[in-house]
Amino acid sequence: AQSVTQLGSHVSVSEGALVLLRCNYSSSVPPYLFWYVQYPNQGLQLLLKYTSAATLVKGINGFEAEFKKSETSFHLTKPSAHMSDAAEYFCAVSDEEGAQKLVFGQGTRLTINP
Amino acid sequence: GAGVSQTPSNKVTEKGKYVELRCDPISGHTALYWYRQSLGQGPEFLIYFQGTGAADDSGLPNDRFFAVRPEGSVSTLKIQRTERGDSAVYLCASSLTGLRGYTFGSGTRLTVV
Repeated sequence: AQSVTQLGSHVSVSEGALVLLRCNYSSSVPPYLFWYVQYPNQGLQLLLKYTSAATLVKGINGFEAEFKKSETSFHLTKPSAHMSDAAEYFCAVSDEEGAQKLVFGQGTRLTINP
Repeated sequence: GAGVSQTPSNKVTEKGKYVELRCDPISGHTALYWYRQSLGQGPEFLIYFQGTGAADDSGLPNDRFFAVRPEGSVSTLKIQRTERGDSAVYLCASSLTGLRGYTFGSGTRLTVV
């Protein structure tokens, strides 16, 4: 069965600094991978997705993630943090599109310091 | 509608009571999903509908949980004999294109006291 591990339940960075949120997955077949963001009292919003095309995926709000099969990783980055990036971030995996369900990590709360 | 609508946004109920949570998907979306998010956790899959039928209900924790989607649009998640452990945010999502295009609602926060 597939699983997702997000390293670090809390990450704090200064405004303007690099954001790096880590995600490792376990899957027996080529995965579909996703990053979602959740602002307080809101639903999940899709940031970006990897579906076996380019390994470097660009998403909304300046975020990107790189699929590394050899490391089973899909880390999320943003070159320069903005105060509005403060939120909870979830990595998710699905083995195949037909499965139609996502397995989420525990989440990483990102705090931005002024 | 413009987005996925979930009602109520908050529900407080007493242990042992029955509750219904409603999800109104984006118009035309044939796929509908329910997830449960406990405090400090990521969402966990409950059930997936394609049209009117439940295509995958493997995530329902026990037989107290049931969901319907009689006309292929609005869905209702039903919980019988609620327990304090059922307290969580229940999220609904809909999609036209499967995993490539989930849209989540804001969720219903259920508190069982």
